Amino acid sequence: AQKVTQAQTEISVVEKEDVTLDCVYETRDTTYYLFWYKQPPSGELVFLIRRNSFDEQNEISGRYSWNFQKSTSSFNFTITASQVVDSAVYFCASSKDTGRRALTFGSGTRLQVQP
Amino acid sequence: DTGVSQNPRHKITKRGQNVTFRCDPISEHNRLYWYRQTLGQGPEFLTYFQNEAQLEKSRLLSDRFSAERPKGSFSTLEIQRTEQGDSAMYLCASSLGIVGVNTEAFFGQGTRLTVV
Repeated sequence: AQKVTQAQTEISVVEKEDVTLDCVYETRDTTYYLFWYKQPPSGELVFLIRRNSFDEQNEISGRYSWNFQKSTSSFNFTITASQVVDSAVYFCASSKDTGRRALTFGSGTRLQVQP
Repeated sequence: DTGVSQNPRHKITKRGQNVTFRCDPISEHNRLYWYRQTLGQGPEFLTYFQNEAQLEKSRLLSDRFSAERPKGSFSTLEIQRTEQGDSAMYLCASSLGIVGVNTEAFFGQGTRLTVV
């Protein structure tokens, strides 16, 4: 079974600070997929990124960047120059390459960006 | 709005009552998932449909829970004889294609159930 661990329960930063959200995953599968979702107070999970296990390239999208390292089973997420609108709960998730393809989520990291 | 729609958004019910939630996936999405999210936790998988077929149910889905997806369109999740432990956010997600391989799951805003 897959497992996703987000050790940081809550992080508080001041606007314009950089912040990194950690994600460690466990799987016995050779092929798997990793995701990040954002959950604002409205409740809807907003997709941020999808990555497969064969693509270790880091990715940058605006102020967001992701660092995928298979050697440490980590898929960390960095927000540069944080803004108040970034305040939300962020979830890391994984899925298998077979079967139902349901997502296995971590417990989430609540990010509070203070003005 | 063409996203995943869930109704109602909030439901308060007395213990022992039955409740039913509805999920309208994005049009033409053939895969539909139900998840449950309790306070301070990530969503947990409940059940999965491919078109109208319910292909898998989690151990979390007790006999009091039943889900349907008639005609492969909208889906309903019913909880019979609700218990306080059923209080949670129930999330629906849909996808066109295989999550991970060529797409992601799109989530609705959820139905928050409170059992009193």
